[in-house]
Order: sequence, then structure tokens, then C-alpha cells
Amino acid sequence: DTEVTQTPKHLVMGMTNKKSLKCEQHMGHRAMYWYKQKAKKPPELMFVYSYEKLSINESVPSRFSPECPNSSLLNLHLHALQPEDSALYLCASSLRPGRGTDTQYFGPGTRLTVL
Amino acid sequence: AQTVTQSQPEMSVQEAETVTLSCTYDTSENNYYLFWYKQPPSRQMILVIRQEAYKQQNATENRFSVNFQKAAKSFSLKISDSQLGDTAMYFCAFMRRGNKLVFGAGTILRVKS
Repeated sequence: DTEVTQTPKHLVMGMTNKKSLKCEQHMGHRAMYWYKQKAKKPPELMFVYSYEKLSINESVPSRFSPECPNSSLLNLHLHALQPEDSALYLCASSLRPGRGTDTQYFGPGTRLTVL
Repeated sequence: AQTVTQSQPEMSVQEAETVTLSCTYDTSENNYYLFWYKQPPSRQMILVIRQEAYKQQNATENRFSVNFQKAAKSFSLKISDSQLGDTAMYFCAFMRRGNKLVFGAGTILRVKS
């Protein structure tokens, strides 16, 4: 089973709202990732968590705040977003972080629209 | 810096025929992994196939196979007996150290009946 789940599927928010995206996996993976994907473009890495600790932040604006409460769960807290932040947000997980190479499995994504 | 190039923005193929998607990459590393991911209009990114650079044998997964040419830094995907469900955006990706995936720009494949 290589399932990564994400909720909600769709989210519409205003620029002053606070919302959160949720990602979950029960495969025992110890690395989790957030990506941002614009239409017809490849995903862009935002954050990487290894063993529940933030290991990579790709210079993402502070209005995006990741959180990894446990090894199965990854959140992305959103605050004061801009319309250009509208995109598909993908979560991924992999088994063994820091081992050089590791297959990433993706969730179905959350389609975010910022009004 | 590692880069991945997919030179075919869009391709079409008739159902049941074979199609090859191109991918080249640039790296100074010797040990790495390469991947093909498929993203249908439903948007879920699905792993199609992966290749370890230290293995000379080309990876295969049912109707999907790769032609891995390490010296030429080429990693093409062949889809045999194309099906309507193969219609998707296909991304070639290179795995860097630190678990960072570098994606190509993608190729939109349309399978026609």
C-alpha cells in the first residue's frame, strides 16, 4: 500500500483567512514533503521533514508554516496568502530520508484558490 | 547544478501503438536514481518506473520500459500498447542527494482512439 492522503481536496480562502492543509501516510515513511504545483508545470519543492524535523526549507515565505506533529502526519498552515499562491499543493512521503536516494509517493493534492 | 530536460511539450499516439518520451539530464554525480511520474487530469502524481544509475539493465514495468544511456545522460520512456488511460502529463525526475527531486518540464501525452 503506497497511499498518501490529503485533505481537503479543494480550499477557497480569502487573503486574511487562516487555514491548514493536512497530509497523512501510514506506510512507516520517515520523510515527508510539501510541493507547490502551478498548472502544466512541474512540482516545486517547498519543505522536507526528516524524522519529524524540518530538514529543507526552499526559501518559502513565512505565510506558509509547516508542522510535523508525528511521523504519520504533516500539516501546512496558511495565513495572509496572496492570489499568486493559488495552486495545487502536493504532499509526498518516502521511506528512508538521508539515504541518498529514496522513492517519493505523492498524495492527490489540495487545490487552493486564494481570493 | 542538476537539470532535467524534456524536449517534447506535447505528443499524441493512437491507441495500441507505441510511443517514446525523451528525457535528458545533466549531473556530475555517479550514483543517482531517475524516475518517470505520470499525472493524469485527476492530478494524482503516480510513479511509473524508476532506474538506478548503477544498474546497466533497463527497468521495465509491464507496458512501460526505459532506455537508460548513462554516458549520454539520456532516460527515455517507452509505452507499448498505449491505452486511453495513459493520457497524462509525464514528468522525468532526477533524485539528488538529500532526497531532492529535480523535475523536467513535463510532456503532455494524449492517447487517441
